[in-house]
Amino acid sequence: GAVVSQHPSWVICKSGTSVKIECRSLDFQATTMFWYRQFPKQSLMLMATSNEGSKATYEQGVEKDKFLINHASLTLSTLTVTSAHPEDSSFYICSARDSVGPYYGYTFGSGTRLTVV
Amino acid sequence: KNEVEQSPQNLTAQEGEFITINCSYSVGISALHWLQQHPGGGIVSLFMLSSGKKKHGRLIATINIQEKHSSLHITASHPRDSAVYICAVNPLTGGYQKVTFGTGTKLQVIP
Repeated sequence: GAVVSQHPSWVICKSGTSVKIECRSLDFQATTMFWYRQFPKQSLMLMATSNEGSKATYEQGVEKDKFLINHASLTLSTLTVTSAHPEDSSFYICSARDSVGPYYGYTFGSGTRLTVV
Repeated sequence: KNEVEQSPQNLTAQEGEFITINCSYSVGISALHWLQQHPGGGIVSLFMLSSGKKKHGRLIATINIQEKHSSLHITASHPRDSAVYICAVNPLTGGYQKVTFGTGTKLQVIP
């Protein structure tokens, strides 16, 4: 089936630094990828929709200058948390939909646990 | 009130039991998803439904569009089924781009 690789699976960084998270679709083209954030014991919340070759669409309340999204190819989207602060510590997960191939559904990455100290 | 409600929130079962997790939603949808999230956080898509019933191994998912309700059944439950099961929908207004998630059902299967 379709596979989405997300890297790194966990990261610890110092306050004020930036962290990049990668999301790759391994065996299908993903013109659209989605970035979610999950706080402990809460639902996944959509942060932004990443479109290949164009600007990402951010959900209300999500700072686009803080959470930079780049979707430069049909198989790669990146989320950069800039000037990270402890309140950015969370679980980040991406998903992609195979919009052109035989797999019809959402595939999720394995997630990235970010801890800002 | 959340657009997607799941019940129960927590469920403990003995190994071998038949398990049912319910999902109700309040908006028109184009599809409904059942996801499994393991303690490490990784998420696996189990089913995507727009009507009827689907089966994969010991897992069965059903949906009743008129009643806006879906169920996930696990037959012959096993400790490795312990996870959080999440129901999610694609609202009609958002097409396949938008997904609204339930808060999840935490399942623990005891040997």
